[in-house]
Amino acid sequence: QQQVKQSPQSLIVQKGGIPIINCAYENTAFDYFPWYQQFPGKGPALLIAIRPDVSEKKEGRFTISFNKSAKQFSLHIMDSQPGDSATYFCAALLGGSARQLTFGSGTQLTVLP
Amino acid sequence: DAEITQSPRHKITETGRQVTLACHQTWNHNNMFWYRQDLGHGLRLIHYSYGVQDTNKGEVSDGYSVSRSNTEDLPLTLESAASSQTSVYFCASSPYKNTEAFFGQGTRLTVV
Repeated sequence: QQQVKQSPQSLIVQKGGIPIINCAYENTAFDYFPWYQQFPGKGPALLIAIRPDVSEKKEGRFTISFNKSAKQFSLHIMDSQPGDSATYFCAALLGGSARQLTFGSGTQLTVLP
Repeated sequence: DAEITQSPRHKITETGRQVTLACHQTWNHNNMFWYRQDLGHGLRLIHYSYGVQDTNKGEVSDGYSVSRSNTEDLPLTLESAASSQTSVYFCASSPYKNTEAFFGQGTRLTVV
């Protein structure tokens, strides 16, 4: 069964801290790894994504680190702000014609002012 | 602006009733998906479609059905609603051969 395991389930940091959310996958056929951000009452929205031929990708304060050999990837949020408080989902997409996302279980992040 | 809309946003129904959740997108995307979101499970794929007349089962398809008669719409039907189907349902779409999925605002369904 295709799975993406995400941890921690919840995370509380102070403003300015660097929360880190981790994900691990099993299927080496995954070829695209996006992170989605979801605010209460809203649908998930794409935050940042990476392909397995790249070890790191930065977009503003958000960084994905990717370890292909360990089959793990993580999201780092630099200088976190209260407005970053949301639920974050990692996901993985199979290559080929079956373009379906498999999601992790989500991390509820709270950034305290 | 192009968008994806779900209706209704909230629905309460009784066990055994048939319920249909609507999803409409104006991007002309070929791919459309239905997910359910439950605490501790993330988003799980129910059904998906890669084009008109194409439908496929996802990870948790039992008790659900979809039909795709045009590009814009993918309604999700619960044939006989059960309490286990109480959840938040999200519709999403993506362009052909693209990777980003765009999600609707969700429908909160309660089965009593």
